[in-house]
Amino acid sequence: EAGVAQSPRYKIIEKRQSVAFWCNPISGHATLYWYQQILGQGPKLLIQFQNNGVVDDSQLPKDRFSAERLKGVDSTLKIQPAKLEDSAVYLCASTLGDEQFFGPGTRLTVL
Amino acid sequence: AQKVTQAQTEISVVEKEDVTLDCVYETRDTTYYLFWYKQPPSGELVFLIRRNSFDEQNEISGRYSWNFQKSTSSFNFTITASQVVDSAVYFCALRKDSSYKLIFGSGTRLLVRP
Repeated sequence: EAGVAQSPRYKIIEKRQSVAFWCNPISGHATLYWYQQILGQGPKLLIQFQNNGVVDDSQLPKDRFSAERLKGVDSTLKIQPAKLEDSAVYLCASTLGDEQFFGPGTRLTVL
Repeated sequence: AQKVTQAQTEISVVEKEDVTLDCVYETRDTTYYLFWYKQPPSGELVFLIRRNSFDEQNEISGRYSWNFQKSTSSFNFTITASQVVDSAVYFCALRKDSSYKLIFGSGTRLLVRP
């Protein structure tokens, strides 16, 4: 069974630029999550989708972050414009039942 | 409010030593779930165990064992006879019954030296 796929694995941008990350969850998994993991910290949930609807986006900085999950499968997370403090690993996870399966993450560096 | 505390930032042991990673949690819920994840250098979080709040029985899986004590709000993880491949960051996490949202601790970096 293929795992959660994410791309790109690494991205370096300058502040005020835009960036987008892509996630393909495990086939059949209805729930998809985006987490932000700042260096030295645990992952923090940004947004949770159930199929193509948003369940929880209470910790998503909506002035600069946006996410969508069209057709309830793949998802994209966008940051526009990026700030220095957005430097982190962005993890995507999906779940069918109770266990969350995580992708390898995208490491974003904002200069 | 829910919170997970992993007070040990980094632990270094020599191979074959036993090591315990501490996890203390806070929640007002009576039904909740506790998790441990391993994050190797590759970055992917690997699920190790899930325990619900009504099951305080300790669990052993090979060299891994978990001690859940509601009286002290702790869910500690012990690796017996550690190996170099155990080197990783380990996260404890908490989830309330009504949500799939995971609250992670700050992690403990384990270094097992040969």
